[in-house]
Amino acid sequence: AQKITQTQPGMFVQEKEAVTLDCTYDTSDQSYGLFWYKQPSSGEMIFLIYQGSYDEQNATEGRYSLNFQKARKSANLVISASQLGDSAMYFCAMREGVTGGSYIPTFGRGTSLIVHP
Amino acid sequence: GAVVSQHPSRVICKSGTSVKIECRSLDFQATTMFWYRQFPKKSLMLMATSNEGSKATYEQGVEKDKFLINHASLTLSTLTVTSAHPEDSSFYICSARDWGGWNTEAFFGQGTRLTVV
Repeated sequence: AQKITQTQPGMFVQEKEAVTLDCTYDTSDQSYGLFWYKQPSSGEMIFLIYQGSYDEQNATEGRYSLNFQKARKSANLVISASQLGDSAMYFCAMREGVTGGSYIPTFGRGTSLIVHP
Repeated sequence: GAVVSQHPSRVICKSGTSVKIECRSLDFQATTMFWYRQFPKKSLMLMATSNEGSKATYEQGVEKDKFLINHASLTLSTLTVTSAHPEDSSFYICSARDWGGWNTEAFFGQGTRLTVV
C-alpha cells in the first residue's frame, strides 16, 4: 500500500487565487513528520513546509500553509495568492519514526500545478 | 541554510561508458545521504542510502554493480553509473540531512540529468 497518496496529477489555478494540493498518508507510527517540496522545471527540490505529528497548530510559511487533519491522515498544502512562479511539481513526503538512527523519507507521486494569468 | 551541491547538472554519455555524479554537503556534515532517481513526471524513487565509511544500503531492485555508491567523507557521496545504457537515462538527485535535530528537513542537490546515447 502506498504510504503517501497524492490523488491530483494536475491542477490549474488562476493567478492570485488560492489552491489546495491534497496529500493523504498511511502510517502506524505515532511519531512522524510530513513535508512538502516544490520541484520547478529545473529539477531542484525546494523545501516548503514541515508538520510534525505532535504539532497541534497547522504549519504556516509565508503563502504556504499545511492543513493537517490527523484523524483523517491528511496533510494538504494550501497556497494562497498564487503566483506564476508557483507553477511546478509539488511533492508530499513523510518521515516515520526513527529506526536504528536513520530515516528514509517516502514521497508521493506529485501534483503538477499550473498557474495561469 | 544547509546547502547540498550536486555535480554535474547535466551529462550526456555514450552507451557503455561510466558516469560519476557527486553530491556534497557544503556547510554541514552528512553521515547519511540518499540517492533518488526520477522518471519523467513520476515521483522520486529511492535507490540507496549512502552511509559514510560503510557500504551503501540499496533498495530492492536496484543493481549494486550498476550503481556504485561511495561515501568516503562526511561531506561527499558519489554515484557512479557503470556501463551506462539508454535505459539508465533519467534524473538523479541526492539529498542529505543535517543531523542537528529530528525534525529538520532533508536538503536536496540540484539534480543530474543523465542522457545515455
